[in-house]
Amino acid sequence: DGGITQSPKYLFRKEGQNVTLSCEQNLNHDAMYWYRQDPGQGLRLIYYSQIVNDFQKGDIAEGYSVSREKKESFPLTVTSAQKNPTAFYLCASSRMAARGVGELFFGEGSRLTVL
Amino acid sequence: AQSVTQPDIHITVSEGASLELRCNYSYGATPYLFWYVQSPGQGLQLLLKYFSGDTLVQGIKGFEAEFKRSQSSFNLRKPSVHWSDAAEYFCAVTIKAAGNKLTFGGGTRVLVKP
Repeated sequence: DGGITQSPKYLFRKEGQNVTLSCEQNLNHDAMYWYRQDPGQGLRLIYYSQIVNDFQKGDIAEGYSVSREKKESFPLTVTSAQKNPTAFYLCASSRMAARGVGELFFGEGSRLTVL
Repeated sequence: AQSVTQPDIHITVSEGASLELRCNYSYGATPYLFWYVQSPGQGLQLLLKYFSGDTLVQGIKGFEAEFKRSQSSFNLRKPSVHWSDAAEYFCAVTIKAAGNKLTFGGGTRVLVKP
């Protein structure tokens, strides 16, 4: 089955540690995205990538970093510079539609808790 | 600034009753509109989308939504709610210049009473 796989599902981290969340897709989508979800705030875009070896900051990129070395993979690193990292993180992907807009397909998320 | 508002944080509805979830947006350009559903601890699933054409769109699980340009709204409806519809619902909007960079509303959590 095609889809998006995020791992780990749950992650605990001590303050001051970096942590990397994995996102892999086998949908052959060009674009990939990372969103952060906090209660009552909807989803906010952290980073996105439309092509391999290229990515752009979203609305809340500070304290995060990404890489896009392969089309299938878009890992997110939550660095110690992120002031409030406890959240639910969602990875998504999409085709580059002819009209310029298409739907996002989401993974099942990773819940990060900082102790 | 571009924004998406879902005025209702929580809605409780009896099983079998109708459901309407509100979504208002603030965008200068023609919007592309989406509704997603999220079960607890899960990712988001697309219910329906509006790009152009008929302003009443049908989606999965018996949901429909109506785009009203004059009211900047894209409300989601279901005539008869099932217990399995208990979830959180998100409205999302983008414009062509933003591509697939969706802006999401804060979400509405739906509780279904037996």
